Amino acid sequence: GEDVEQSLFLSVREGDSSVINCTYTDSSSTYLYWYKQEPGAGLQLLTYIFSNMDMKQDQRLTVLLNKKDKHLSLRIADTQTGDSAIYFCAESSGNFNKFYFGSGTKLNVKP
Amino acid sequence: DAGVIQSPRHEVTEMGQEVTLRCKPISGHNSLFWYRQTMMRGLELLIYFNNNVPIDDSGMPEDRFSAKMPNASFSTLKIQPSEPRDSAVYFCASSFSTSGGNEQFFGPGTRLTVL
Repeated sequence: GEDVEQSLFLSVREGDSSVINCTYTDSSSTYLYWYKQEPGAGLQLLTYIFSNMDMKQDQRLTVLLNKKDKHLSLRIADTQTGDSAIYFCAESSGNFNKFYFGSGTKLNVKP
Repeated sequence: DAGVIQSPRHEVTEMGQEVTLRCKPISGHNSLFWYRQTMMRGLELLIYFNNNVPIDDSGMPEDRFSAKMPNASFSTLKIQPSEPRDSAVYFCASSFSTSGGNEQFFGPGTRLTVL
């Protein structure tokens, strides 16, 4: 199957920027996603980027895609304690909308 | 819409018992996915359906696991007999699949504990 890899943990201070990184192997990926999982809850879509884009910005979130290196990142500006959660990277090549998820990065925001 | 509905939210059972998890996808969605999440293995795709037909069940860990989708608004995941190592959070997700690129909507999950 396809591989999607993320680091497991990230710790930042409130007000700093957070950058969560992801690498994937499928060069035919069409869409790449970032999901957020809060404790005790399911996954919720944060944002996504189409593979022909390099960057997408949505308020405090910036997604960067380096298709050559198969590297995706999520930057959260002015990180708040409410941003503490697990963040999952996922890619899809459109086959019945099957997603390949990374292991998730647990973001801890210290006050 | 109420979103993806899963029941029960919590299930505690004894080893050897049959467990049935239920999912109601979002109305109009034509793809349904069952995932399992554990600390050790992360999020694993078990099986997915498109238009009520199982497409890929290669993630189902053993023959003790089975899933059905008798109609567009209901799916079950059954474990018989259950074992302690099946303890996990089981998520159902649905999407409207065309050529891809459509969000998967996740349910709140069922936390299963097998004693």
